[in-house]
Amino acid sequence: AQSVTQPDIHITVSEGASLELRCNYSYGATPYLFWYVQSPGQGLQLLLKYFSGDTLVQGIKGFEAEFKRSQSSFNLRKPSVHWSDAAEYFCAVGAGYALNFGKGTSLLVTP
Amino acid sequence: DTGVSQDPRHKITKRGQNVTFRCDPISEHNRLYWYRQTLGQGPEFLTYFQNEAQLEKSRLLSDRFSAERPKGSFSTLEIQRTEQGDSAMYLCASSLQRVTSVTDTQYFGPGTRLTVL
Repeated sequence: AQSVTQPDIHITVSEGASLELRCNYSYGATPYLFWYVQSPGQGLQLLLKYFSGDTLVQGIKGFEAEFKRSQSSFNLRKPSVHWSDAAEYFCAVGAGYALNFGKGTSLLVTP
Repeated sequence: DTGVSQDPRHKITKRGQNVTFRCDPISEHNRLYWYRQTLGQGPEFLTYFQNEAQLEKSRLLSDRFSAERPKGSFSTLEIQRTEQGDSAMYLCASSLQRVTSVTDTQYFGPGTRLTVL
């Protein structure tokens, strides 16, 4: 069965520092992978997606993610974090029509 | 593109009451999905429609949950005889099915926060 693991429940970074959020997936075929961001009390906003092709994908708000098939990973990165990036981040794998989500990583940004 | 909208944004109800939520998808999208998100968890898929046809409903949480999309546009999710365990955020998403893709890109609404007292 398809599943997603986000190993870090909480991450704290200083404003201006780099960020990497980890995501590991389990899926038998070529995965469709997504990163979403959720601010408190809000819905999910799509940051980026990987369907095929170039394994380094660019998204909105300066985020990027790299698909590594050998490691079954799709880690999210940002070179310099802004205070407004504080939110909950979810990785998801497409399993046919449905998305299977990880439990999320909560990002705290300190001054 | 006005995005996916959901109404109401918040609903407080007493145990045993019925509640209904509405979702309006992005206008040209033919697929519509419902998810539930409980505190500290990622969204959990419930059901989806392609146009007006409900193609998957086996993952609805119980027979108290039902969804409709009568004209292939907006959708409603109804929970009958609510229980405290139904308290959660209910998220709607929509997508445009592309022939060559298995999984579409889903765009989410702001959600409806349900509190059952």
